Amino acid sequence: NAGVMQNPRHLVRRRGQEARLRCSPMKGHSHVYWYRQLPEEGLKFMVYLQKENIIDESGMPKERFSAEFPKEGPSILRIQQVVRGDSAAYFCASSPPWLAGDEQFFGPGTRLTVL
Amino acid sequence: QQQVKQSPQSLIVQKGGIPIINCAYENTAFDYFPWYQQFPGKGPALLIAIRPDVSEKKEGRFTISFNKSAKQFSLHIMDSQPGDSATYFCAARTGGFKTIFGAGTRLFVKA
Repeated sequence: NAGVMQNPRHLVRRRGQEARLRCSPMKGHSHVYWYRQLPEEGLKFMVYLQKENIIDESGMPKERFSAEFPKEGPSILRIQQVVRGDSAAYFCASSPPWLAGDEQFFGPGTRLTVL
Repeated sequence: QQQVKQSPQSLIVQKGGIPIINCAYENTAFDYFPWYQQFPGKGPALLIAIRPDVSEKKEGRFTISFNKSAKQFSLHIMDSQPGDSATYFCAARTGGFKTIFGAGTRLFVKA
């Protein structure tokens, strides 16, 4: 069973461009979480999704950020009109419904650099 | 209320030593306390976890001590090895699946 996959691993964008980060959860996992990690800091919760539903987006900035987890395909975290402050590592995690979020399996992250 | 405070920020121990990392929380609704280990360039991985009805849990060389009345919990690594050098995050979760992470402790174990 492959682990959580994220791509791209590294992404460079200029200010004002859009960034799309993809996350493929582990097989059988229907819960996806996105976190942001700034250098030398812990992970900050952004959003929790189940298939086709956003369950908790209390950690998402109100503007420019959106997330989806469609019925088919990976979960996408989208950042429009990126600014330098968006530079960070973005981690996706997944868990199966029977673990009820107790253990979250993390992907290797996408490191976003905004020039 | 939603914060988890972690200390120290960094820690250096000799091989065989017992590093201790401490965390404190305020929100009594937290019902699950995991610890994650992260190596450079990798995502965090669950190390060990505890629920508030238990005061101690051991898994191999890793032990969590939990003090519900003080709202504190700590990670002890017995007989630490250079391969344990990593960043450790404590975390706390409510029943709503949202997990709050501490700021992390960078551990370096000298050979």
